[in-house]
Amino acid sequence: NAGVTQTPKFQVLKTGQSMTLQCAQDMNHNSMYWYRQDPGMGLRLIYYSASEGTTDKGEVPNGYNVSRLNKREFSLRLESAAPSQTSVYFCASSAAGQTNQPQHFGDGTRLSIL
Amino acid sequence: GESVGLHLPTLSVQEGDNSIINCAYSNSASDYFIWYKQESGKGPQFIIDIRSNMDKRQGQRVTVLLNKTVKHLSLQIAATQPGDSAVYFCAEKEAGNNRKLIWGLGTSLAVNP
Repeated sequence: NAGVTQTPKFQVLKTGQSMTLQCAQDMNHNSMYWYRQDPGMGLRLIYYSASEGTTDKGEVPNGYNVSRLNKREFSLRLESAAPSQTSVYFCASSAAGQTNQPQHFGDGTRLSIL
Repeated sequence: GESVGLHLPTLSVQEGDNSIINCAYSNSASDYFIWYKQESGKGPQFIIDIRSNMDKRQGQRVTVLLNKTVKHLSLQIAATQPGDSAVYFCAEKEAGNNRKLIWGLGTSLAVNP
């Protein structure tokens, strides 16, 4: 069972470069999420997609864009990377709808911006 | 949330003992609570959840207790094993908001053999 798969696992960028982080889930979940995790700040929601074709901003959307390509895939793009975007990025999915359901996470992309 | 600052609270237990990890949540309108375990280099892994109409739920070796009066959540791990060493996060969800989870800052559990 693959669950939520993120690529790449590690990446180093220079300031100003662009990059797309990929996420795919095989659980037929409607909702998908992108988080960043920084020391001492817990998980912060960047963007989420309630269903295919919709996306919404989370707590910290500035500097990021997302695309819900289809039901399985949700990508996160940094158009012009900044050192403040150095973080660990997690993608998650859930069957969220009328009932509460847990989010399931990938193993993250560790991104360093020099 | 659980704490502020760069240093996670740490709970150190002996292998075989029971562990209790606590979480104070902030929103009295929250109706759903989840515990996650995060091992080094991995993503958060779902452990157990509880809805606000319950005060206790049991899983395999884990129990979650919810006290809505004092807005307190706890995770009890029975017979703690070295493989339980990780950072544990609680998260809450506000009623009517099916998207956003509010995350605690985590508690580090260290199991001594």
